[in-house]
This record gives sequence, structure tokens and C-alpha cells, in this order.
Amino acid sequence: NAGVTQTPKFRVLKTGQSMTLLCAQDMNHEYMYWYRQDPGMGLRLIHYSVGEGTTAKGEVPDGYNVSRLKKQNFLLGLESAAPSQTSVYFCASRDSGTGRSGELFFGEGSRLTVL
Amino acid sequence: SQQGEEDPQALSIQEGENATMNCSYKTSINNLQWYRQNSGRGLVHLILIRSNEREKHSGRLRVTLDTSKKSSSLLITASRAADTASYFCATGPEADTGRRALTFGSGTRLQVQP
Repeated sequence: NAGVTQTPKFRVLKTGQSMTLLCAQDMNHEYMYWYRQDPGMGLRLIHYSVGEGTTAKGEVPDGYNVSRLKKQNFLLGLESAAPSQTSVYFCASRDSGTGRSGELFFGEGSRLTVL
Repeated sequence: SQQGEEDPQALSIQEGENATMNCSYKTSINNLQWYRQNSGRGLVHLILIRSNEREKHSGRLRVTLDTSKKSSSLLITASRAADTASYFCATGPEADTGRRALTFGSGTRLQVQP
């Protein structure tokens, strides 16, 4: 049981390049999230999904797109990377069942540097 | 915007001492969670306290919640060097308000000196 797996773990991009971060979870969770973490800023929600085929904007969605074609996968795309998108990106998932605590399960993070 | 704000931003103590971290939040909540993040790793859930609870224990962790003051505290007793990490409070998700995601504070960096 791997939990939440993010790939790649590290990536360096040049301004204007595109890339996709992949998040996979094997816990059959309905809800999946992408956060970014910057020094002194805590975690900020980029996009999230409440089920296969659904996506919604979070707090800081500009410059990012997401897709949830399969329940276990949540992709985060950067179409034209900017230096302001240098950050550590975390994927998380949780169960949607009633009575659940809302506990999030996190991946280990993907560190992205945009030059 | 941050729903939760931790205080202090950084805390350094000696092994064996207790560590207390505080969290303030802005809107009404159904529950509040605390997470731990070791350097370079993902966040790990520690404990959840519901709005109708005032105190909760889990091993060396003690969490309190004061909904009238919109604040929570996390106490780690008899700290160990392995407790060195960042600690975050988080509020949500709440089905009745439509908030589907957790909102995190900026965290407290705890350093436990051996």
C-alpha cells in the first residue's frame, strides 16, 4: 500500500516550458488536492477534485490546469512555467465517507524550480 | 488567505521539555486538525479535535480547542529530538459550508535540542 505517490520528485524548468505533475493514490479516495508550499506561506490550495471527472479551483489556480480522468490519478499541469511557480507541490487525498474525519494523506512532494 | 495562524513561528527547546504551539482561526469550524511535517517530507496527520470537544489526547500530544476564542493549542510533552519538525493546524473540510478542502496555517518550526 503506497498511499499517495507523486512524480517527479524534482524538476527544473526554463521559463515558458510546460510540464505535468502526476499524483496517484491507491486508497480509493474520492477527494484529491494539489497544494503548493512556499517559505513562510504554509500550504495554499491550487485545485481540487471531488471525484473522477471533476475539478474545481482553489485559492491560487492561475497558471495551472488539472485533470482527473481516473479516480486514482490527479494531474497538475503548468502550460507556460514562470519563476513565481518555483515551489514545492504537494498532492493529498481523503475519503469522502460520512463520519470521516477529513484527514488528508499527503505525498512526499515535488520540488519545482523555474529558471 | 490563511484560515489558521500558528504562534510562535519558531520554537527551540531542550529535550525533555514541553512544547506548546498555538493556532488561531477566523471562521466557525466543525473540527480542527494538526499535522506534522519533517524537513523535506509530506505532512502527516497527528490529531483531530471536533468543535464540541475541549481537549483531546494522543500519546504525548494534547490538543485543546476554545471555539469562543477561535483558538487551539498543541502540547507535546517530554519532547524528543525526533519531534523536530514543522507543525501545522488546519480547518475544514466541512460539508455543511461547502468547504471541500483543508485550509492550513503557516506553521510552527519546532527544534528540539538533544
